[in-house]
Amino acid sequence: KAGVTQTPRYLIKTRGQQVTLSCSPISGHRSVSWYQQTPGQGLQFLFEYFSETQRNKGNFPGRFSGRQFSNSRSEMNVSTLELGDSALYLCASRSHRTSGGYEQYFGPGTRLTVT
Amino acid sequence: GEDVEQSLFLSVREGDSSVINCTYTDSSSTYLYWYKQEPGAGLQLLTYIFSNMDMKQDQRLTVLLNKKDKHLSLRIADTQTGDSAIYFCAVSYSSASKIIFGSGTRLSIRP
Repeated sequence: KAGVTQTPRYLIKTRGQQVTLSCSPISGHRSVSWYQQTPGQGLQFLFEYFSETQRNKGNFPGRFSGRQFSNSRSEMNVSTLELGDSALYLCASRSHRTSGGYEQYFGPGTRLTVT
Repeated sequence: GEDVEQSLFLSVREGDSSVINCTYTDSSSTYLYWYKQEPGAGLQLLTYIFSNMDMKQDQRLTVLLNKKDKHLSLRIADTQTGDSAIYFCAVSYSSASKIIFGSGTRLSIRP
């Protein structure tokens, strides 16, 4: 089975711009979560989507948003980029809760640099 | 609130056992995980344990959970150079939706 894939792997943007990151979960997984990893704050939960609905949300400003499509692929959007948004953005997928669903598998991440 | 703590660094000799420790604050944590991150890579799920278990062994990995002290440890037997990485302790709750991560322990191997 193919793992979680994320595109693009690297991205450089300028302050004030917006960015969209993409995540394709493991085949059959319907839940997708997003995390931000920075040296200062570590790994922080952004949000989780299941069946195209946001199920849980972390403590991030409204500039961070996401969505999930009917094929379970997910996108994350950050608007009005700030220097502090520079981070590794990780996507994770898991199967439906009724079949376990406690194991989250992570993709390689998208490295976003804001200049 | 939710908090997971781990020491930042650990250095062991090749062939020895490595023990990485972690403490957490929320006793309602249901699932407890260990992830490994190599440079430039995402997170690899190494193993996990349910809160109603005391121990789990998986080849070279042994996880011990002391629920009373809210203490989790990961033992890596016969540590190899390929084990050099950052190890993250993490917890989640019954929904397993949101994972709370520790700051990570960087494991380095001495020849």
